[in-house]
Amino acid sequence: GQNIDQPTEMTATEGAIVQINCTYQTSGFNGLFWYQQHAGEAPTFLSYNVLDGLEEKGRFSSFLSRSKGYSYLLLKELQMKDSASYLCAVNSNYQLIWGAGTKLIIKP
Amino acid sequence: EPEVTQTPSHQVTQMGQEVILRCVPISNHLYFYWYRQILGQKVEFLVSFYNNEISEKSEIFDDQFSVERPDGSNFTLKIRSTKLEDSAMYFCASSEGEAGISPLHFGNGTRLTVT
Repeated sequence: GQNIDQPTEMTATEGAIVQINCTYQTSGFNGLFWYQQHAGEAPTFLSYNVLDGLEEKGRFSSFLSRSKGYSYLLLKELQMKDSASYLCAVNSNYQLIWGAGTKLIIKP
Repeated sequence: EPEVTQTPSHQVTQMGQEVILRCVPISNHLYFYWYRQILGQKVEFLVSFYNNEISEKSEIFDDQFSVERPDGSNFTLKIRSTKLEDSAMYFCASSEGEAGISPLHFGNGTRLTVT
């Protein structure tokens, strides 16, 4: 079967760093996406990894290890506006399989 | 920045009625999608559309659902006879390339409530 696991909820403090993990077991792998979704809004694209390693984009970085079926999203210098759900999605044989998302709560 | 637009933002309908959800994808995008998200649950794929035909559909996308691109800009989702369990947020998305390689650009969604 196809499965993506993410923690349901995480809490972090403004200004801190947080790492959101995603593990996947899929029949194929052609890349992994991270999206941000604020409550009641549409998902917005954050990052895409297809090769192993770290992709950095400002305060956000995403890491992939294909051999371990593992990715993480690293958010630095957290701001209150980063409170949102973070969705991991895997391209498995050119179909996107979505995780349930991790709700990130930022406290002052 | 170009964006995907969806109308209406909210739709309330009675069980058994037909609804049409409308979307205008980004103009130079070639791939179009409908997703739904039941409140508090994960994003679920419904259907993808390319070159004027359905390219993939999920088990959710049964005979009650249909999609159409009636002209060069609109992309619609029709639910023929709505059920209570169709209540959800419906997102339209478009991408330049295939979903697995290109980022999806989502519209703001239509919240469908079936009573």
